[in-house]
Amino acid sequence: AQSVSQHNHHVILSEAASLELGCNYSYGGTVNLFWYVQYPGQHLQLLLKYFSGDPLVKGIKGFEAEFIKSKFSFNLRKPSVQWSDTAEYFCAVKGGYQKVTFGTGTKLQVIP
Amino acid sequence: EAGVVQSPRYKIIEKKQPVAFWCNPISGHNTLYWYRQNLGQGPELLIRYENEEAVDDSQLPKDRFSAERLKGVDSTLKIQPAELGDSAVYLCASRGKSSGGTDTQYFGPGTRLTVL
Repeated sequence: AQSVSQHNHHVILSEAASLELGCNYSYGGTVNLFWYVQYPGQHLQLLLKYFSGDPLVKGIKGFEAEFIKSKFSFNLRKPSVQWSDTAEYFCAVKGGYQKVTFGTGTKLQVIP
Repeated sequence: EAGVVQSPRYKIIEKKQPVAFWCNPISGHNTLYWYRQNLGQGPELLIRYENEEAVDDSQLPKDRFSAERLKGVDSTLKIQPAELGDSAVYLCASRGKSSGGTDTQYFGPGTRLTVL
């Protein structure tokens, strides 16, 4: 069965700091990978996705993620965070039978 | 384009009572998902529909949960009877297909259920 692991449950950063959130998955076949974001009081929104091609994927609001197949990883990065990036971030994988599995989420708090 | 609509947004019931949630997906989206999100966790799939057919309901607790998607558009998720452990946010999502074959799920705001 496929699974997703997000190592950081709660991250606190100052504005302008760089961000990297870890995501590892387990599935032996072809995968599609996603990062979703949930801002306070809002619903889940897609941040970026990887389906094929260039393993470095750029999303909205300056976020990017790199798919490293050999490491089964899809880490999320942003060079300089802003207070408005305070949110919860979920990594998700779509593997067999079109099933999407989410990680437990990482809460990011950015301090002005 | 309107997003995924869910109602009610909040529901408080006593245990052993029935409850139902409604979802209206984005127009033209054939795939519809119901997820449950417990506090501090990521969404967990309950059921996935392709049009009106439930193609993955392996995680749906069928002794008390049921779902339907008549005519392949709106969907309802029902719990009868509700238990304390059912307190969670119930999310609906829908998916369409782009011409390139890629797809994205769009989530509704969820229904927050509290069982007392």
